[in-house]
Amino acid sequence: SQELEQSPQSLIVQEGKNLTINCTSSKTLYGLYWYKQKYGEGLIFLMMLQKGGEEKSHEKITAKLDEKKQQSSLHITASQPSHAGIYLCGADSSGTASKLTFGTGTRLQVTL
Amino acid sequence: GAGVSQSPSNKVTEKGKDVELRCDPISGHTALYWYRQSLGQGLEFLIYFQGNSAPDKSGLPSDRFSAERTGGSVSTLTIQRTQQEDSAVYLCASSLIAGGPLFFGPGTRLTVL
Repeated sequence: SQELEQSPQSLIVQEGKNLTINCTSSKTLYGLYWYKQKYGEGLIFLMMLQKGGEEKSHEKITAKLDEKKQQSSLHITASQPSHAGIYLCGADSSGTASKLTFGTGTRLQVTL
Repeated sequence: GAGVSQSPSNKVTEKGKDVELRCDPISGHTALYWYRQSLGQGLEFLIYFQGNSAPDKSGLPSDRFSAERTGGSVSTLTIQRTQQEDSAVYLCASSLIAGGPLFFGPGTRLTVL
């Protein structure tokens, strides 16, 4: 089965600072999905990347897909307390998205 | 509603009892997924439904687990003879098409005493 490793496992940053979360797959990536989860809540879809070199941005969050390295990064610019939560990457290794595999998450805390 | 809904939000049961968890996907979404999330663990795939195709049950951990999707919409996940290790948050997700983004429900927190 596909292994997805996220790094770091947890992160504490001061408000206003930038940060990057990485997601590395042991298998070919046909699609990479980023989600955010707050305690006690479901997963909120952030972005989906499907093509090598693809980069998407939404507000202050940017995600990139490096197909050759089988890796994706999520970058947050000028972090805010509202960015706090657990960030999860999910990957499709079949090309059909029938069984997405998820990483164990990166817990982000943003201090004032 | 606009999103995926699940019921109940919380379920406490005794070991050995059967439980049913319900998922209402977003209207028109053809694909439906069940995952579970145990404390400190990532999301574990359980089962996938796509249209009228046979479901992908490869993630179901034992034959105590079963799921069905009626009329291509509502899905029910049934756990028979629950065990303490079944305690987890069970998440349902749907997507408009296979390969599209999954939209998750709020989950059902199952506690087996």
